[in-house]
Amino acid sequence: DAMVIQNPRYQVTQFGKPVTLSCSQTLNHNVMYWYQQKSSQAPKLLFHYYDKDFNNEADTPDNFQSRRPNTSFCFLDIRSPGLGDAAMYLCATSNQGVVYNEQFFGPGTRLTVL
Amino acid sequence: AQKVTQAQTEISVVEKEDVTLDCVYETRDTTYYLFWYKQPPSGELVFLIRRNSFDEQNEISGRYSWNFQKSTSSFNFTITASQVVDSAVYFCALSEPGGAQKLVFGQGTRLTINP
Repeated sequence: DAMVIQNPRYQVTQFGKPVTLSCSQTLNHNVMYWYQQKSSQAPKLLFHYYDKDFNNEADTPDNFQSRRPNTSFCFLDIRSPGLGDAAMYLCATSNQGVVYNEQFFGPGTRLTVL
Repeated sequence: AQKVTQAQTEISVVEKEDVTLDCVYETRDTTYYLFWYKQPPSGELVFLIRRNSFDEQNEISGRYSWNFQKSTSSFNFTITASQVVDSAVYFCALSEPGGAQKLVFGQGTRLTINP
């Protein structure tokens, strides 16, 4: 089945130790998104790639970076995680063009910062 | 600026009851899309429905139904004969037109269906 895959599902890191979360998709969608969702809150968009074009949200901290080496993969890098970065990180994809299509979400990676 | 309000933070009902989740939105755009997503305890956001601003027809899918009213800027979601498996957090969302169609989410409503 076509899907959005996130690895790992659970990630534990230490304060200040860089961490990378990965997302892959078999849907061949041209847009990939990264969201941060803290406990009991709505998902918050960090950035997205429209094809190869990177689009950062204005309030996304510099600590968060992303890479999209090809259509299928997208990575979220947290350069120096702080305790406040503990959250669920959701990857989503959509196929944008003439017709608008909904976003499909992966299962998320729950990040714990010790 | 776009905004989505889900005033009900938590709802708890007994199985088989009907329940309605409210969603009110604000936008200056004439073209927009509205969504409902379900987030079960596993964490994945599951797409339920998309509605564009030009289509005010109500929709029914099994036990789920949606009522879109532009006059009141509302897009409410009703579950008929609720089941325990319906327990989840439900998010209403509004998309920005153009480009990557970014989503603006409401704060979510945690629905608990008790046996």
